[in-house]
Amino acid sequence: GAVVSQHPSRVICKSGTSVKIECRSLDFQATTMFWYRQFPKQSLMLMATSNEGSKATYEQGVEKDKFLINHASLTLSTLTVTSAHPEDSSFYICSARAPRYPPLHFGNGTRLTVT
Amino acid sequence: QQQVKQSPQSLIVQKGGISIINCAYENTAFDYFPWYQQFPGKGPALLIAIRPDVSEKKEGRFTISFNKSAKQFSLHIMDSQPGDSATYFCAATVTNDYKLSFGAGTTVTVRA
Repeated sequence: GAVVSQHPSRVICKSGTSVKIECRSLDFQATTMFWYRQFPKQSLMLMATSNEGSKATYEQGVEKDKFLINHASLTLSTLTVTSAHPEDSSFYICSARAPRYPPLHFGNGTRLTVT
Repeated sequence: QQQVKQSPQSLIVQKGGISIINCAYENTAFDYFPWYQQFPGKGPALLIAIRPDVSEKKEGRFTISFNKSAKQFSLHIMDSQPGDSATYFCAATVTNDYKLSFGAGTTVTVRA
């Protein structure tokens, strides 16, 4: 139980375009989801907290207009990287809080490459 | 600033040996301490977790030791296997806050 699915697993886009990443909780309702960014050989950096039906809370230094987060249902949160640039290339990971918490359950990540 | 300090950055152990990873924290409000295992290109997966009212927790070959007074906790991997080669992250959180503070990670390589 408590499976979190992330899609796509890999995406390549051209500079200036936008890309959307989906995070789904498959067998539970997630009122809270989190989005992380991970650079090679580094730890996970929390970008934002997403609560169903309300605006996301962004961590300091994270551009909310660049990284749009929508949590429209109890099983889906999306992260849209707008006007992507090569420096946005990274590994993006979501996690979800199941009703039986802790722990947090993580998706398998999305490798974004901006050319 | 990193709220959880993790060491070493990397370690190499022979098959059958013991891997030890240490973490330290400052925030005494933390009340849940999970360890995650991450393979390349994958998300982190929960390995084992502990609360501060317990000094040790064992699950299979994985043991967490917790020292509340020293604000330190460690992961011991017994009888290390090549399949254990991965990056391990310690983390800490205040349960009602839900946000995890991660350590920097330790890359473990188990040599056959």
